[in-house]
Amino acid sequence: QSVLTQPPSASGTPGQRVTISCSGSSSNIGSNTLNWYQQLPGTAPQLLIYSNDQRPSGVPDRFSGSKAGTSASLAISGLQSEDEADYFCAAWDDSLNGWVFGGGTKLTVL
Amino acid sequence: EVQVVESGGGLVQPGGSLRLSCAASGFTFSTYAMSWVRQAPGKGVEWVSGISGSGDSTYYADSVKGRFTISRDNSKNTLHLQMNSLRAEDTAVYYCAKLGGAVDVWGKGTTVTVSS
Repeated sequence: QSVLTQPPSASGTPGQRVTISCSGSSSNIGSNTLNWYQQLPGTAPQLLIYSNDQRPSGVPDRFSGSKAGTSASLAISGLQSEDEADYFCAAWDDSLNGWVFGGGTKLTVL
Repeated sequence: EVQVVESGGGLVQPGGSLRLSCAASGFTFSTYAMSWVRQAPGKGVEWVSGISGSGDSTYYADSVKGRFTISRDNSKNTLHLQMNSLRAEDTAVYYCAKLGGAVDVWGKGTTVTVSS
């Protein structure tokens, strides 16, 4: 059972916009910034969004993040086949004194 | 190039020990807190342990507290994870990672298999 809650799956067709949610609590998302990661099969996670809504250099602007209270969302617009991957959220937890992660959402491009 | 490279994984029997290492390069290692994160086969990611830049503060997930010890050698830009009393449920790919901020670095991981 992950501390941060994500839907296990999401899907969309090429060109569509999809969103993935991440729900936490006051000790993690509510008081610290959130990261989003993309993980392709057999590879290490790659940072997509940091500090709730910031994109590292090299990440397309099709990816965007937002946070409100103890929840956050990742939006992917103009969906492409190469976006098919696992996505998970992460934040520091002040009560646990450690990083907590979402269980991951498997995105399928139909 | 900013990178971290893990080593030391392998097959170990239940109750055994293993020491993982992580070599960092391309950034000022001593400035940043570092973490070990693991991913069991077909499962999500789990944070295991973290250490401050100076090494003075260490943090552990409840699942490994008392069995794993994290340490770092800033003179050699290396991070370690000493794993004792290993259990089957510790089987996973272990990633060395610098989490947080725009400079977020993960290695390719090293595989630990606990089995008789």
